[in-house]
Formats: sequence, structure tokens, C-alpha cells
Amino acid sequence: DAGVIQSPRHEVTEMGQEVTLRCKPISGHNSLFWYRQTMMRGLELLIYFNNNVPIDDSGMPEDRFSAKMPNASFSTLKIQPSEPRDSAVYFCASSLDRGPNSPLHFGNGTRLTVT
Amino acid sequence: AQSVAQPEDQVNVAEGNPLTVKCTYSVSGNPYLFWYVQYPNRGLQFLLKYITGDNLVKGSYGFEAEFNKSQTSFHLKKPSALVSDSALYFCAVRDEENNFNKFYFGSGTKLNVKP
Repeated sequence: DAGVIQSPRHEVTEMGQEVTLRCKPISGHNSLFWYRQTMMRGLELLIYFNNNVPIDDSGMPEDRFSAKMPNASFSTLKIQPSEPRDSAVYFCASSLDRGPNSPLHFGNGTRLTVT
Repeated sequence: AQSVAQPEDQVNVAEGNPLTVKCTYSVSGNPYLFWYVQYPNRGLQFLLKYITGDNLVKGSYGFEAEFNKSQTSFHLKKPSALVSDSALYFCAVRDEENNFNKFYFGSGTKLNVKP
């Protein structure tokens, strides 16, 4: 089991540029989550999908953020245009949605730096 | 509203001594509780969970947690700490009202184990 795979591991970009973060969940998992981690705000849920359908995007900071899940094995989180305050570590996580028993499995994250 | 509190930002313990990392929760239904550990530059890793049954739950790396319904607590414990246990620990509760899809994480506790 390769686990949740995120790419890139590090991204450095200039303010105003478009950033795309990628995630491959664990095969067979049907729920996918995007989190953001910062020192100031801790771990924040941005959006989650169930069976490729966005269920709750209330955590997405603003319209500059968008997420897609075109199929069960791939998801993207896009920021356009990026701003310095978007600098954070972005985590993707997946789980098998069978009730309360299923833990989240996290990727190793993408560290985003916007200058 | 569901929430998790970790009252200590940091816990310091000497190697070989017992450790406790505290967590209290607030949920409207049955609590489904989890502990995760995060090592530097890595994603969160699942340690253990409480769903139902015995109040003392055993997990990975010799960790255990005690569920206390009357005190709404789920403290993480280990009888003898190792230097390699030094990491960031997160408590989480799963939200029954949203079909268990939402996890609410605490702010994290940094555990420092000194030789």
C-alpha cells in the first residue's frame, strides 16, 4: 500500500501565480479531504469529497481556492491567484467511508511558499 | 457544536517516565475519538481510536488512551517515554451528525522527551 501520495512536496511561487496541488488517495478509499496547516491556525479542513462529489467546501477560504476530483484516484487543489498568506502545508487525506471506524490516512503534504 | 481541546501546547517528560497528553471533547452524539502523531515534515499518522467497548484503548508504539465519558476526556498515555516519541500529537473527534465524514482536530500538543 503506497499510502496517500501528494505532489509536489515543496512549491515556491510568486504572488499572483497559479498553484496546483495534487493528490492520489489510497486505492479503494471513497472519501478525500484537503487540509491546511499553519502555526497560527493549526489544522483546517478546506473541503472533502465523498465518492468524488464535493460534500462540504465551507472551509475553502475564498474564491481563489478551488478543488476537483475528476475520478476516484485523483484530486487537485488550485489557488489562483496565490497570495503570501496562502503559505502553509497542505495535506490530503483519504478514508474508507464505512462509519465511525475508519481513520484518516494522510499524505506527507505540500509545503507552499508564496513570495 | 463538535470540538476538541488540547489544553497543553507542550509537554516535557524525561525518557523512561510515564507521559500523558490531555484531550477533552464536546459532541452532540456518541463520541468517536482518535489520536494522531505528526513527525517533522510528515503527515499525521493514526495511532489509536475509541469507538465503543473498553475504555482503555491500546494503539501503535506502546501508546494507549483512556476514554472517560463523565469527564469527556480521552487522554493519551504511555508508561515509559522514549526520545523517539518526541513529536506533535493531535486528538480528533469524528462527527456523527455528518455521517462521520468530518473530523474535528485539536490544536496539537508538542511532546518533548529528553534523554
